[in-house]
Amino acid sequence: ELKVEQNPLFLSMQEGKNYTIYCNYSTTSDRLYWYRQDPGKSLESLFVLLSNGAVKQEGRLMASLDTKARLSTLHITAAVHDLSATYFCAVETSGSRLTFGEGTQLTVNP
Amino acid sequence: SAVISQKPSRDICQRGTSLTIQCQVDSQVTMMFWYRQQPGQSLTLIATANQGSEATYESGFVIDKFPISRPNLTFSTLTVSNMSPEDSSIYLCSVEVSADRIRYEQYFGPGTRLTVT
Repeated sequence: ELKVEQNPLFLSMQEGKNYTIYCNYSTTSDRLYWYRQDPGKSLESLFVLLSNGAVKQEGRLMASLDTKARLSTLHITAAVHDLSATYFCAVETSGSRLTFGEGTQLTVNP
Repeated sequence: SAVISQKPSRDICQRGTSLTIQCQVDSQVTMMFWYRQQPGQSLTLIATANQGSEATYESGFVIDKFPISRPNLTFSTLTVSNMSPEDSSIYLCSVEVSADRIRYEQYFGPGTRLTVT
């Protein structure tokens, strides 16, 4: 059974600081996703990582994938309040099925 | 990308009743999925909705409880049957789309927030 673990589960940080969210998974996968969810909202796709060493950046967020270590990271640079949300990683297995991590609830304080 | 709509957006239902949730996509897609997000929790895949055949259910989910229809490539329904308070969740459909048959992405609908009393 595939297990996807995120840490930390809760993250409170100050504006302007940097931090990294980690996503570990237990089996090989072709694709890893990062999603953002605001309270009461659906999921917004942030990144799709397809291969070992893949790195993608959008604004203050950068995601990377190490398939050998079965690890993905989501790095936040110079956080701003608008980044406050819950972030999920999801690992794709056969049949395009997604297994989600527990989510990281990020709060950025002024 | 894909534009996905769900109906209803939310509902409050009495235990023992059933609710059918609709998912409509603005383009033809092969892969459609139904997920459940219980309060304060992550997402769990219920089933893959296959066009022209029965849905494929994940461990812990059965057709009698969550019957699914997929009559065409743009539409699917999920029914939550004989509801109990434990079924109170957000139900989301998702689709897999590709711009170039090489790179695929999965997008989620807005969700249906179900409360069972």
